[in-house]
Amino acid sequence: GQQLNQSPQSMFIQEGEDVSMNCTSSSIFNTWLWYKQDPGEGPVLLIALYKAGELTSNGRLTAQFGITRKDSFLNISASIPSDVGIYFCAGQRNRDDKIIFGKGTRLHILP
Amino acid sequence: ETGVTQSPTHLIKTRGQQVTLRCSSQSGHNTVSWYQQALGQGPQFIFQYYREEENGRGNFPPRFSGLQFPNYSSELNVNALELDDSALYLCASRSGGSETQYFGPGTRLLVL
Repeated sequence: GQQLNQSPQSMFIQEGEDVSMNCTSSSIFNTWLWYKQDPGEGPVLLIALYKAGELTSNGRLTAQFGITRKDSFLNISASIPSDVGIYFCAGQRNRDDKIIFGKGTRLHILP
Repeated sequence: ETGVTQSPTHLIKTRGQQVTLRCSSQSGHNTVSWYQQALGQGPQFIFQYYREEENGRGNFPPRFSGLQFPNYSSELNVNALELDDSALYLCASRSGGSETQYFGPGTRLLVL
């Protein structure tokens, strides 16, 4: 079946550093999504991308939809303690289709 | 706060038992999806309901079944529980005209 490869699996950074994570797929998606999940919560949508090449920002977060439609990245600038959590990339072939999730990137911020 | 609620929050069952999990969608959302999230993994799609009919299913056996009610609340039923069914079960709702799905906090199921 379809799989998303998300990397890195985990990151340990200092507060204030920038963060970059990415996601690749063996097949094409027409929508790329980035979610954050905090402990005891469901995933919360951060950014949605609908067009190949699209670059979208949401505050300190920036995500891009790869030209090949098989990859996406998420950058977080000037990290703060509340950025700690698990970040998931996800893809959809079309808007009524199931969402396929990556395995997540665990972000830790060192004191 | 997404407006999607799930009950119960936690549940312990033994192998072979049956379980029913419930989801109350955000007001006006007529589409609900269920996902299974094993420890350390991303959520995996189980099935989707639109206006009380199943209209999409992932790679899960028939002992996973669901219902959607006229008020768009939903149930996930799992029969003949197996140890590997231990996971966080998430529901997500959206309105028919929107692509954005809103997730509930999940029900954590432990099968012993």
